[in-house]
Amino acid sequence: EPEVTQTPSHQVTQMGQEVILRCVPISNHLYFYWYRQILGQKVEFLVSFYNNEISEKSEIFDDQFSVERPDGSNFTLKIRSTKLEDSAMYFCASRFQTTNEKLFFGSGTQLSVL
Amino acid sequence: RKEVEQDPGPFNVPEGATVAFNCTYSNSASQSFFWYRQDCRKEPKLLMSVYSSGNEDGRFTAQLNRASQYISLLIRDSKLSDSATYLCVVRGSQGNLIFGKGTKLSVKP
Repeated sequence: EPEVTQTPSHQVTQMGQEVILRCVPISNHLYFYWYRQILGQKVEFLVSFYNNEISEKSEIFDDQFSVERPDGSNFTLKIRSTKLEDSAMYFCASRFQTTNEKLFFGSGTQLSVL
Repeated sequence: RKEVEQDPGPFNVPEGATVAFNCTYSNSASQSFFWYRQDCRKEPKLLMSVYSSGNEDGRFTAQLNRASQYISLLIRDSKLSDSATYLCVVRGSQGNLIFGKGTKLSVKP
């Protein structure tokens, strides 16, 4: 089965630093997502991206967050100035086309902000 | 009211038991429903979609009651490998998924 790839698997950073989480979605997929899961909490939607622009974002996705698809393969999530409460597992996901298509998740990046 | 609500458990059952999970959702306009499985510190994985007529996949049966905004998952003849957290998921209007907090299942020998 095709895979969504995320790097790194674990990122440790100091509060206030910028981090970039990287994802390589499945090659023919058109819709891309970031979700996060704080330890012990539910998986939360952050942002969806289609046709090189954000299509929807949650209230969590404030000005500290940005997404980019810099080339034809990578999809990145940037946090400009990390806070302690940004510590979470961040999952990238992609799907091909229609809203009924299966969503494929990457294995996640565990972000630890110290 | 939370968008997707589940009993957090844990459900501790012996091998071979039948176990049922329930879930309610708040948006009556929701159209797509799923059960995902999540192992500890791993990504969610689609277990099955949930259809209005109910559907079955081996030992797993999912039911949807739109009038009550209620979704269920039944696992028969549970295995040790079924131990995981089961996530009730509803698709939002833009295709994003809205997750419940999950119900933890532990199957014991």
